[in-house]
Amino acid sequence: GAGVSQSPSNKVTEKGKDVELRCDPISGHTALYWYRQRLGQGLEFLIYFQGNSAPDKSGLPSDRFSAERTGESVSTLTIQRTQQEDSAVYLCASSFGSRGTDTQYFGPGTRLTVL
Amino acid sequence: QKEVEQNSGPLSVPEGAIASLNCTYSDRGSQSFFWYRQYSGKSPELIMFIYSNGDKEDGRFTAQLNKASQYVSLLIRDSQPSDSATYLCAVRGNQGGKLIFGQGTELSVKP
Repeated sequence: GAGVSQSPSNKVTEKGKDVELRCDPISGHTALYWYRQRLGQGLEFLIYFQGNSAPDKSGLPSDRFSAERTGESVSTLTIQRTQQEDSAVYLCASSFGSRGTDTQYFGPGTRLTVL
Repeated sequence: QKEVEQNSGPLSVPEGAIASLNCTYSDRGSQSFFWYRQYSGKSPELIMFIYSNGDKEDGRFTAQLNKASQYVSLLIRDSQPSDSATYLCAVRGNQGGKLIFGQGTELSVKP
């Protein structure tokens, strides 16, 4: 595709429900990243995938958060038993590789609201 | 101490002036540095990156890096109202991969 796509664009859920957020990276990009951005804040790293290597999960805030990626394509971020503090914009990015200067291109984000 | 620090602003400059945005980082092993622009309600878009000490120019934008001082800046010459946005500084370590972002500086360019 022309760019990184994410779905849904908006998600409203009730506290305690599970949600799944989807990311389609740019074709040919081997690296995929998930970030979270709370209102008025910078981006907070969650997890990244590079090819067939084990993902870097060091940013996941709790065991309620998990992510999967199928090969070098689609990724799904799952949040179980959502809490109000999970409300944020979840941004996905992809890059050709993960070397120092490989540029990350961001998708439009999924705005999650937990009531 | 936060890993990447920026003044949150807002920074207000008149149209045509030079806007100077600053960023400091704590990890001396950091290898590459990125500036992203984020309009309200939109996702970040890359302006430029720098990895060598000194200046790097791209049109109206100049990135400056001083690894000894752990400092990176972005200068915007001839600022335009369309430059009004939040500017995010991001740093990548020597192992590649994830970016560590500052909280962003809000820039307002007044006509």
